[in-house]
Amino acid sequence: KAGVTQTPRYLIKTRGQQVTLSCSPISGHRSVSWYQQTPGQGLQFLFEYFSETQRNKGNFPGRFSGRQFSNSRSEMNVSTLELGDSALYLCASKLQGRDQETQYFGPGTRLLVL
Amino acid sequence: GQQLNQSPQSMFIQEGEDVSMNCTSSSIFNTWLWYKQDPGEGPVLLIALYKAGELTSNGRLTAQFGITRKDSFLNISASIPSDVGIYFCAGLWNYGGSQGNLIFGKGTKLSVKP
Repeated sequence: KAGVTQTPRYLIKTRGQQVTLSCSPISGHRSVSWYQQTPGQGLQFLFEYFSETQRNKGNFPGRFSGRQFSNSRSEMNVSTLELGDSALYLCASKLQGRDQETQYFGPGTRLLVL
Repeated sequence: GQQLNQSPQSMFIQEGEDVSMNCTSSSIFNTWLWYKQDPGEGPVLLIALYKAGELTSNGRLTAQFGITRKDSFLNISASIPSDVGIYFCAGLWNYGGSQGNLIFGKGTKLSVKP
């Protein structure tokens, strides 16, 4: 069974641009979460989608948005990029999104904003 | 809000030595998780703890859920070069199936001298 895949793996953008990142969960998994990882702040929760609905959202500005499609694939979008948005963006999936299910992470998309 | 204090931030040890790291919080958590992240990859779940006082092993790894529910530790016995990486603790502070309730520590970077 294929793991969580994320595309692209690396991305360079300039300030003010927008970016869309893609995540394909493990087949059959319906819960997809997004995290931002930086050296200073560590792993921070962005949002979670389950059955095409946003179930929870972290403390990030409205420039960060996401969506989930009927096949459970998810995208996140960051508009008006800032230098501080440079980070590793991780996607993780769970089967039903229940507490005691194992969450599987993808390899991440490393975004550099210049 | 909930915060996890993970220590030490980094460790540099000899191959064959035992390793200990821990996470503490002023808040109570219902679940403790320990992850390992290799360079260029997403975190991988090592051990999950669901009950206060629980002691669980996974090969050379042993983790415990503190009795107060405010701390957890991870031990690695007889370390080997492939143990190199960053170890994260994570605490689930509220049941409800949402990944937004999962808080991560800042990580412990482990380096092993062969």
